[in-house]
Amino acid sequence: AQSVAQPEDQVNVAEGNPLTVKCTYSVSGNPYLFWYVQYPNRGLQFLLKYITGDNLVKGSYGFEAEFNKSQTSFHLKKPSALVNDSALYFCAVRDGSVRGKLIFGQGTELSVKP
Amino acid sequence: EAGVTQFPSHSVIEKGQTVTLRCDPISGHDNLYWYRRVMGKEIKFLLHFVKESKQDESGMPNNRFLAERTGGTYSTLKVQPAELEDSGVYFCASSQAGANTGELFFGEGSRLTVL
Repeated sequence: AQSVAQPEDQVNVAEGNPLTVKCTYSVSGNPYLFWYVQYPNRGLQFLLKYITGDNLVKGSYGFEAEFNKSQTSFHLKKPSALVNDSALYFCAVRDGSVRGKLIFGQGTELSVKP
Repeated sequence: EAGVTQFPSHSVIEKGQTVTLRCDPISGHDNLYWYRRVMGKEIKFLLHFVKESKQDESGMPNNRFLAERTGGTYSTLKVQPAELEDSGVYFCASSQAGANTGELFFGEGSRLTVL
């Protein structure tokens, strides 16, 4: 069965410092991996995805994520955090052999302090 | 282009009452999904429509939940009768036909509070 784990409920970072939000996954086929962000009182916004190709994917707002097949991880990163990056981040996976649904992790609350 | 819209944004009902949530997907998107997030937990899949057909309803919790998508446009999700554990945020998402590698576009969610 597909599953996603985000081991940290909360990540605290000082503005200007690099940030990492962790995600590991389990799928039976090739993984399609996604990161979404939810700002307060808003819906989920797509940040980036990995389908195939280069293991380092770049997305919106300066975020990037690295696909690591051997560690079954897809950690979200940003070189220099901004206060406005404070939000709830969700990792999701779709089994490449199955159409349709994404399976989400439980979310990580990112707090960036000035 | 209008995004995915959901109505109502917030509903407060008493246990035993009925609530109907509505989702209007992005025009032309054949795939429509319902998800739910209970406080502090993961976003859980409920079901998936392709046009008006239910492709996958494996996530529907029980028969108190009824989803429809007549005509393959907007969708409704009815909870009848509502229970306390149904409280949470219900998200709708849509995507283009055959977009297995594509992202889903989400609405802002309908927050349901059952008292």
